[in-house]
Amino acid sequence: QVHLQESGPGLVKPSETLSLTCTVSGGSIDPYYWNWIRQPPGKGLEWIGYIHYSGSTNYNPSLRSRVTISVDTSTNQFSLNLSSLTAADTAVYYCAARPVVPPRPFDYWSQGTLVTVSS
Amino acid sequence: AIQLTQSPSSLSASVGDRVTITCRASQGISSALGWYQQKPGKAPRLLIYDASSLESGVPSRFSGSGSGTDFTLSISSLQPEDFATYHCQQFRNYPLTFGGGTKVEIK
Repeated sequence: QVHLQESGPGLVKPSETLSLTCTVSGGSIDPYYWNWIRQPPGKGLEWIGYIHYSGSTNYNPSLRSRVTISVDTSTNQFSLNLSSLTAADTAVYYCAARPVVPPRPFDYWSQGTLVTVSS
Repeated sequence: AIQLTQSPSSLSASVGDRVTITCRASQGISSALGWYQQKPGKAPRLLIYDASSLESGVPSRFSGSGSGTDFTLSISSLQPEDFATYHCQQFRNYPLTFGGGTKVEIK
């Protein structure tokens, strides 16, 4: 059973860069795409992007210019960097896993961490 | 990007009621659709994958149907623990997208 736990700051200033890390335990990192998803307070879910252990990535075009996702296979961690923050980036951020094959929805989710963008 | 439109955005129902939620895709996605349940302060929980396959451990009162552009999630007899927000999500094309959610409240 894969377990995901994110870590990072709960408060960041406008124009700065958000950095979050997700630690994977209880399973191999190989057979999954490792994703970041966010949910502004009271709103719907937005997929940010994924990384595969090989390093291949895919980002949501709406955020692509500001997003970098990286992976460290030695520590079973993957990370999100989101730059040029505004108040609109205030959200609960989740890390989530979906299998490479077969194509499926997100099987595993972290508990979520609220990130507030405010000076 | 494929847009998913859920309806209704909210509904009120009683324990024991049958509830149906719809999700319409802006273009055909075959059966590449999942349904999630989300309770306040919690991460979404996968209920249905491939439009109609029940995830392991999910009660059989939940069912999904549809293909192409029109999909439904049904709860045959609403239980107290089913009051939550439900989201659909397509995995046919990138970017992966979600519907706006349907909040099921107690009448």
